[in-house]
Amino acid sequence: DGGITQSPKYLFRKEGQNVTLSCEQNLNHDAMYWYRQDPGQGLRLIYYSQIVNDFQKGDIAEGYSVSREKKESFPLTVTSAQKNPTAFYLCASSIAHSILAGVSNEQFFGPGTRLTVL
Amino acid sequence: EDKVVQSPLSLVVHEGDTVTLNCSYEVTNFRSLLWYKQEKKAPTFLFMLTSSGIEKKSGRLSSILDKKELSSILNITATQTGDSAIYLCAVAYVTQGGSEKLVFGKGTKLTVNP
Repeated sequence: DGGITQSPKYLFRKEGQNVTLSCEQNLNHDAMYWYRQDPGQGLRLIYYSQIVNDFQKGDIAEGYSVSREKKESFPLTVTSAQKNPTAFYLCASSIAHSILAGVSNEQFFGPGTRLTVL
Repeated sequence: EDKVVQSPLSLVVHEGDTVTLNCSYEVTNFRSLLWYKQEKKAPTFLFMLTSSGIEKKSGRLSSILDKKELSSILNITATQTGDSAIYLCAVAYVTQGGSEKLVFGKGTKLTVNP
């Protein structure tokens, strides 16, 4: 079965702790993304990666870090610098078509991780 | 600054009603507009629209893009309780760095009562 998995499903963190959210995909997609979803806010992009060993900040990257050492994996670390980390975190992936090809990329989403800071 | 605006933000209807959800956008280097349905967890893909005026249909759902008006609508006919969800509109655009990003609207929460 091809797809995107995220773990854990629920995560509780004490203030001041760093936590890492896992995202794995076996779709052979080049591009991976992390979004944060808050009630009434829609999805906001945290970080994205178009290729292994490369990633870019999204719109709300402060207090987060990522790595992309393998094509299949794109873990997100929520650091103690993130002031309001309680949220639903979604990972997505897509085929990274060449911009010149003019083909847009549908993103496939994982089931999400709900992070709560106690 | 909102780049993708959805309306209404919430909607309550009875089974059998027809609903129209709206999405307007303002981005440079537009590539496509996507609709997703989100129930409990992961958004699931509904449609990708790239050409203006061409309707896409899937069962009771249909959508169309108007590039002149920078907007799209999602229609659901003969609604069922299983249509209750948050419907997300997203616009794909090319960044100055040459990569493609999605920007999402806040979603429309649809509730279909029996």
